[in-house]
Amino acid sequence: GESVGLHLPTLSVQEGDNSIINCAYSNSASDYFIWYKQESGKGPQFIIDIRSNMDKRQGQRVTVLLNKTVKHLSLQIAATQPGDSAVYFCAETLGGNTGKLIFGQGTTLQVKP
Amino acid sequence: DGGITQSPKYLFRKEGQNVTLSCEQNLNHDAMYWYRQDPGQGLRLIYYSQIVNDFQKGDIAEGYSVSREKKESFPLTVTSAQKNPTAFYLCASSIFGDRNTEAFFGQGTRLTVV
Repeated sequence: GESVGLHLPTLSVQEGDNSIINCAYSNSASDYFIWYKQESGKGPQFIIDIRSNMDKRQGQRVTVLLNKTVKHLSLQIAATQPGDSAVYFCAETLGGNTGKLIFGQGTTLQVKP
Repeated sequence: DGGITQSPKYLFRKEGQNVTLSCEQNLNHDAMYWYRQDPGQGLRLIYYSQIVNDFQKGDIAEGYSVSREKKESFPLTVTSAQKNPTAFYLCASSIFGDRNTEAFFGQGTRLTVV
């Protein structure tokens, strides 16, 4: 079946550096992608999304890049802060009315002071 | 405030017992979902509902049951048939239409079998 995976289970960065979290997806029909942040013991929080007709989208301190050719998604966090420490998940969903999200395994981001 | 509420936050169940997890939303969302999360893993879809009185199985529906009698509520029952129910359960909701939008999550219920 379809799967969404992340390249690295843990990413450790220095406070103030930029972070890049990667994600590979397998279903070329997926047309909507979301990045979620999950802090320990809490539900995932929406960070940013992107549709398949775009290749880049920017938010506040975050940028998502989509490369449909190689089915790759990345989340860039600028000037990483201690509060960014969490598990980050990418999720994909197919077009139409399913609304079902397929999640990857997650990458733990550790920010060193 | 609008949001999605799960209760209880922690739940303990004896082996062989059924237990029901509550999920309520006041976002006027049509679609609701239940996910299971095991330690160090992603979220796996148990059941989802796109409209009232209708629901569909997800990837790991065995041992679970749901109902959708009201738009605001989507309770999940973990039955005795679920062999390994200890996990973190997450409920979510989203707008359902011709364009996908993000799902909003509750804070989760941690279920432990004792």
